[in-house]
Amino acid sequence: GAGVSQTPSNKVTEKGKYVELRCDPISGHTALYWYRQSLGQGPEFLIYFQGTGAADDSGLPNDRFFAVRPEGSVSTLKIQRTERGDSAVYLCASSLNPLAGGSEQYFGPGTRLTVT
Amino acid sequence: GNSVTQMEGPVTLSEEAFLTINCTYTATGYPSLFWYVQYPGEGLQLLLKATKADDKGSNKGFEATYRKETTSFHLEKGSVQVSDSAVYFCALTRNTGNQFYFGTGTSLTVIP
Repeated sequence: GAGVSQTPSNKVTEKGKYVELRCDPISGHTALYWYRQSLGQGPEFLIYFQGTGAADDSGLPNDRFFAVRPEGSVSTLKIQRTERGDSAVYLCASSLNPLAGGSEQYFGPGTRLTVT
Repeated sequence: GNSVTQMEGPVTLSEEAFLTINCTYTATGYPSLFWYVQYPGEGLQLLLKATKADDKGSNKGFEATYRKETTSFHLEKGSVQVSDSAVYFCALTRNTGNQFYFGTGTSLTVIP
């Protein structure tokens, strides 16, 4: 079956612009996660959705970052007034049953965001 | 807090050599532990996992044992192949099921 997909695969934008990154999780997965991976680092958690609601947004770095999942499937990560420090690979993951111990997360290929 | 510390790379080995990548963790409660692998040009893939103390996860010849007494989850393989060249990430999640905490990754290159 289809895995987690993310679009676009690459995004180059100018400082100060607004960007949207899209994630399409595995069908039937109720949990969706966004992570950010900087060069040479491991992924860092941004936000977790259970269904339509954000269950944990403690990883969002500031109020320029926002994410939605209006129908409990596709999610969009939105970044306002982008800064050069936002340049990174943004990863999306989904999980079938996050409340079960050891539940695996399935990762998408990521969107590489470059802010010039 | 929750965190994962991995041995720093890069690691370069000859084919058929023994591999160990060290991973230690700090966590509240009783986490589940994972190794993810990222092959060149690909996304993160689960390699193996262990959900409780003394469990051993294994896959593709790789093994790791959940050691609560030493808070470790070291990755081992007895004989590496060129195709094992990748970046390996140790990770934990608390069993409330939300975010993963990843280490910084260890790059492995296996030369023929």
